[in-house]
Amino acid sequence: EDQVTQSPEALRLQEGESSSLNCSYTVSGLRGLFWYRQDPGKGPEFLFTLYSAGEEKEKERLKATLTKKESFLHITAPKPEDSATYLCAVQAEDSSYKLIFGSGTRLLVRP
Amino acid sequence: ETGVTQTPRHLVMGMTNKKSLKCEQHLGHNAMYWYKQSAKKPLELMFVYNFKEQTENNSVPSRFSPECPNSSHLFLHLHTLQPEDSALYLCASSQGEQGSGYNEQFFGPGTRLTVL
Repeated sequence: EDQVTQSPEALRLQEGESSSLNCSYTVSGLRGLFWYRQDPGKGPEFLFTLYSAGEEKEKERLKATLTKKESFLHITAPKPEDSATYLCAVQAEDSSYKLIFGSGTRLLVRP
Repeated sequence: ETGVTQTPRHLVMGMTNKKSLKCEQHLGHNAMYWYKQSAKKPLELMFVYNFKEQTENNSVPSRFSPECPNSSHLFLHLHTLQPEDSALYLCASSQGEQGSGYNEQFFGPGTRLTVL
């Protein structure tokens, strides 16, 4: 069964304290792995798509990496405005439409 | 309007009411989705439409009825809901291709539904 597990469930950082969020996945052939950011009361905001192991993508203080079993979202020198829930989702090769989401990591960055 | 819009943003309804949620996408996409997001649970896919054709019904109870009149609009008709149906309902769209769905999904702000 295709599955996505995110850890930690919650993470508190001081401003400037770099860290990483983990997304472990089990899927019968990966078509794509997606990272989203979700603020309270809002819809998820698309961040990155990763397609193959070894791929990396960056956006401001965020960098996403992918291996055959997991993805990391690295946050470098975070700011309070980076506080949000970060969601990971996978799309299997045999499932054109379906995204399987993890439960997310709630990130709080204190000033 | 840009992106994906949803109305209403908040909805309170009784168990015997009938209401509808509306979604509109301004991205020129061909695939549209309904998701349910409950507290402390992953997003659950409910329905998928690709080129106005329903391609997935993820075992959703019949009290939820989707409608997709064209590639830009998606509705979710609600009737005789239960309190456990209270959740954030999210609409999304993606590029889509004839015969397949693909690429990143872009989400609307959601409708916060409370069933009394």
